[in-house]
Amino acid sequence: EDKVVQSPLSLVVHEGDTVTLNCSYEVTNFRSLLWYKQEKKAPTFLFMLTSSGIEKKSGRLSSILDKKELFSILNITATQTGDSAIYLCAVVNQGGKLIFGQGTELSVKP
Amino acid sequence: NAGVTQTPKFQVLKTGQSMTLQCAQDMNHNSMYWYRQDPGMGLRLIYYSASEGTTDKGEVPNGYNVSRLNKREFSLRLESAAPSQTSVYFCASNDRQQPTDTQYFGPGTRLTVL
Repeated sequence: EDKVVQSPLSLVVHEGDTVTLNCSYEVTNFRSLLWYKQEKKAPTFLFMLTSSGIEKKSGRLSSILDKKELFSILNITATQTGDSAIYLCAVVNQGGKLIFGQGTELSVKP
Repeated sequence: NAGVTQTPKFQVLKTGQSMTLQCAQDMNHNSMYWYRQDPGMGLRLIYYSASEGTTDKGEVPNGYNVSRLNKREFSLRLESAAPSQTSVYFCASNDRQQPTDTQYFGPGTRLTVL
């Protein structure tokens, strides 16, 4: 059965800290891995990763995929209160179906 | 360009009542999806429609039906609501022909079944 597991499930940090969110997966016929940020509304797209070892970067956020060890990490440096959200990882199989992890709830305190 | 829209935003039902959640997208996407989101469980796929005229079950289809009315619209029906269906429901769409797998989400419907 296809499975995506995120850790930790929740995390509390202070502004300025760096955080690393983890996503491991067991999915047959892997096509890509997506990261979303969800505040109090719909998820918004952050990154799509298809190749191992190539870092995707957007401002203070970056992500990398390891297809051999079947995981991805999402890094956020110099965290701000506006980074508080649920971060969702999803793996897409060859049929185009998304399998989501449970999400990591990040809370950044001032 | 509104993207993905959903109605209603909030709904309270009594056990046994029925209702239909509406979803529409204006991005000319072929594929549309219905998810439910519950605390600690992430997003789970209820039904999806890979193209107009086709629908398929997802991970948690029991208690739901769907209709792909046309390319733009994909509705989710609860025939006899149960408290276990209290959740936030998201509709999403994408175009599998495009190189990106990104799905675009609607704003969600918060449903409470008493």
